[in-house]
Amino acid sequence: DAGVIQSPRHEVTEMGQEVTLRCKPISGHDYLFWYRQTMMRGLELLIYFNNNVPIDDSGMPEDRFSAKMPNASFSTLKIQPSEPRDSAVYFCASSFFDEQFFGPGTRLTVL
Amino acid sequence: KNEVEQSPQNLTAQEEEFITINCSYSVGISALHWLQQHPGGGIVSLFMLSSGKKKHGRLIATINIQEKHSSLHITASHPRDSAVYICAVRFGYGGSQGNLIFGKGTKLSVKP
Repeated sequence: DAGVIQSPRHEVTEMGQEVTLRCKPISGHDYLFWYRQTMMRGLELLIYFNNNVPIDDSGMPEDRFSAKMPNASFSTLKIQPSEPRDSAVYFCASSFFDEQFFGPGTRLTVL
Repeated sequence: KNEVEQSPQNLTAQEEEFITINCSYSVGISALHWLQQHPGGGIVSLFMLSSGKKKHGRLIATINIQEKHSSLHITASHPRDSAVYICAVRFGYGGSQGNLIFGKGTKLSVKP
């Protein structure tokens, strides 16, 4: 398996634009997690899914953030409209039992 | 408030030194994870613990549930161990895999 795949790896956009981050989990994993990492706050859980169903989205910072998992092999995290304070590295991870496997991350810069 | 505290924040060691990184948490947990983040940014899960001790190669992780404390040890450290080590806990008992709370990380630099 290729591991967790994220795209794009880097995204630079202007304030106000819509940003969509994509994740393909490891086949057979039933949990999918979206994390955000910044220098100030470290790693934070944004939302996670179990069997494609959102379980806990309490970490999603605002209504500008939304996440979907239409099927077991794909998830998106959308920011609309984006703001400079959204600049961070966004990680997707998947798991079957407790060990989580992380994707390489998407580095988002909002100008 | 559920908190995770790591120490030290930064650690510089000479090659072959024995290294210990500490993690303390505030309330009962169901699981504790140790993660490694390489300078390039990739994150790898090293251990998941709910009790006792686990060993993998030169890495050893221990947890003391009563003292709410975990340690990550690296024996015979090597420059390739240079990375940020992150402790993460799942508070409460049972439940789902989510709700991980992360420490701020310990940046380790091993000099040759």
